[in-house]
Amino acid sequence: DAGITQSPRYKITETGRQVTLMCHQTWSHSYMFWYRQDLGHGLRLIYYSAAADITDKGEVPDGYVVSRSKTENFPLTLESATRSQTSVYFCASSDWTGIGYEQYFGPGTRLTVT
Amino acid sequence: QQQVKQSPQSLIVQKGGIPIINCAYENTAFDYFPWYQQFPGKGPALLIAIRPDVSEKKEGRFTISFNKSAKQFSLHIMDSQPGDSATYFCAALRGGSEKLVFGKGTKLTVNP
Repeated sequence: DAGITQSPRYKITETGRQVTLMCHQTWSHSYMFWYRQDLGHGLRLIYYSAAADITDKGEVPDGYVVSRSKTENFPLTLESATRSQTSVYFCASSDWTGIGYEQYFGPGTRLTVT
Repeated sequence: QQQVKQSPQSLIVQKGGIPIINCAYENTAFDYFPWYQQFPGKGPALLIAIRPDVSEKKEGRFTISFNKSAKQFSLHIMDSQPGDSATYFCAALRGGSEKLVFGKGTKLTVNP
């Protein structure tokens, strides 16, 4: 039972390049999320999705694009990478625990934009 | 606008000490308050959670204290161990939503 997987785990790219971060879950959870984590800012929500073909912006969506054609996949694309997008990116899905929704996080992708 | 304020940013305690991490919120529509624990190089994972109809919840050495009137909640770690060294995030969830609002995190170091 793999849960949530992210690929690649590490990526170095150049300014202006397009890069896609992959996220795959094995649970069929409806909701999925993309966060970025930066020192001093905690976890900031980029985009989220309530179901296949339903996506919405989070706190910091500029420069990012998402799609969700299948429930289990939720890729995040940086259309033209900038140095300010150097960060650790986490994908998550959520499920009801009985008292609230728990988010299950992937292992993260460390992205460096040079 | 930061909806969940967490303090302190970092905390260093000796083994056996009781670190306390505090969070405050403004939105009274929040009705679920989880804490997440994150070890270096890993994603955050749910540690313990509480709803506002109880004032305290214990799971092992971890306790959430909740003060509804003050709109504050805190995490206490009893008999802390070096293995508890991690970053801790408080969060809040509004009823009917699956979108968590996170605090900025507290880096805890427990020295041997």
